[in-house]
Order: sequence, then structure tokens, then C-alpha cells
Amino acid sequence: DIVMTQSPDSLAVSLGERATINCKSSQSILYSSNNKNYLAWYQQKPGQPPKLLIYWASTRESGVPDRFSGSGSGTDFTLTISSLQAEDVAVYYCQEYFRTPYTFGQGTNLEIK
Amino acid sequence: EVQLVESGGGLVQPGGSLRLSCAASGFTFSSYWMSWVRQAPGKGLEWVANIKQDGSEKYYVDSVKGRFTISRDNAKNSLYLQMNSLRAEDTAVYYCARDSDDCSGGTCYSYWYFDLWGRGTLVTVSS
Repeated sequence: DIVMTQSPDSLAVSLGERATINCKSSQSILYSSNNKNYLAWYQQKPGQPPKLLIYWASTRESGVPDRFSGSGSGTDFTLTISSLQAEDVAVYYCQEYFRTPYTFGQGTNLEIK
Repeated sequence: EVQLVESGGGLVQPGGSLRLSCAASGFTFSSYWMSWVRQAPGKGLEWVANIKQDGSEKYYVDSVKGRFTISRDNAKNSLYLQMNSLRAEDTAVYYCARDSDDCSGGTCYSYWYFDLWGRGTLVTVSS
């Protein structure tokens, strides 16, 4: 199984500041035939289901604010929130969909400083 | 409205069985792979199983193989998860999720990130 490891586990950022969450996969999730990274990011607020933010490592889902961006390739990926808003307080998960079983990172709890 | 609504959760004793259902609406259910994803209390997300559009392919995480069965009824726009031999470690909120697809090139391809989620149903395994 592919192991997804996020860092940090918890993060406190001031409003308006940049938040950066990292995700590392135990093997490459870059598919050579289409040159795509099989990596998604989700946001989960308390008492709610997860919400898709980013797929293909850097493609924003429709309706997601452009302060959210994804980057990286191969085994190392980053989710960046350029200017933290109060409504961004949540747990963030990365997920690989390269092969079954599709695995998630352990989550990063993002709070306001 | 595009939505998924789970039902069937509850309290069950270890070794017991439960059948979860997921009702889909607002989209062409038969065109999508579908998954179950669970979340133990206070823990992270774990993909459990998925099923192809016509039910011909099914995949499971190792921890539920031989105990859980995923199925679907496209005529009823419904997804199911039959859970047998339940254990305490199966206690979780179970989410129904739609696997995504990409039709931008004219032909649709399925990909296994989840673009639509239900609100979940809680399964508690305890004596």
C-alpha cells in the first residue's frame, strides 16, 4: 500500500497569512503515460463530510477559492492557502488515487493563531 | 439537487451484521464508480471499497475483505454496503462518495478521487 504522510499534524496561522501543508507519498504517484500526479486534497470542517479542493495535484475543483493552490510532483506535494480566512479553519487531507487501496494522509489540523 | 444520502447505521454487537444504503439523486448514478469511505471517531479517512458502474468490478481494503460486500442497484440509484462479522474497529462514520470522471476529451474516464460526498451514517460496534 502507498503510505501518505502529512506535515505538520497541526498548524496555527494568523488571518491573512500563508498556510502551507505538506504531503509525502511512500512511492511516486506520477503516472508516466499521462504525466499526471494522482493526488487530491480535501477540506473537512467539524461535523461535515470532506470537500474536494484540488485534484491532479494542482487542479482546483470548481467553486474553490483561488487562494487555495496545490503543487508538487512524484512523491512530494504541497497545499498552500495564500491568505488565510476564518472559514478555512478545518482539517486537510491528501489522498492518492494511483492504485487501490486508495489512501489518505493522517490529516493536518489548521487553526487561527 | 445533486446529493448522496446514507442510511442504515446504528448500534450492533460484535460479530453482527448491518446493511448500509446510499441514495443518489441529481446526477446519472449509473455513469459513475462509487465508493464507501469511513472515519473512526476523532480519526482520519479510510477508503473501504468501490464498485464499477455496472457492478462488474469491486475492490476492497484488506481489513474488510471477506466481511464486507459492496453492491449497487442502478434502477434504484442506490449503493449498498453489506457488513458482516463486525468488529469494534469497524466503528466509524461511513460516507458514500462518488468517484470522479473526466469527460473533457469527449470520452469519459473514471478516476478515484471523490467529488461528491454524503453526510455519513454512524456505525457503532459494541456489546
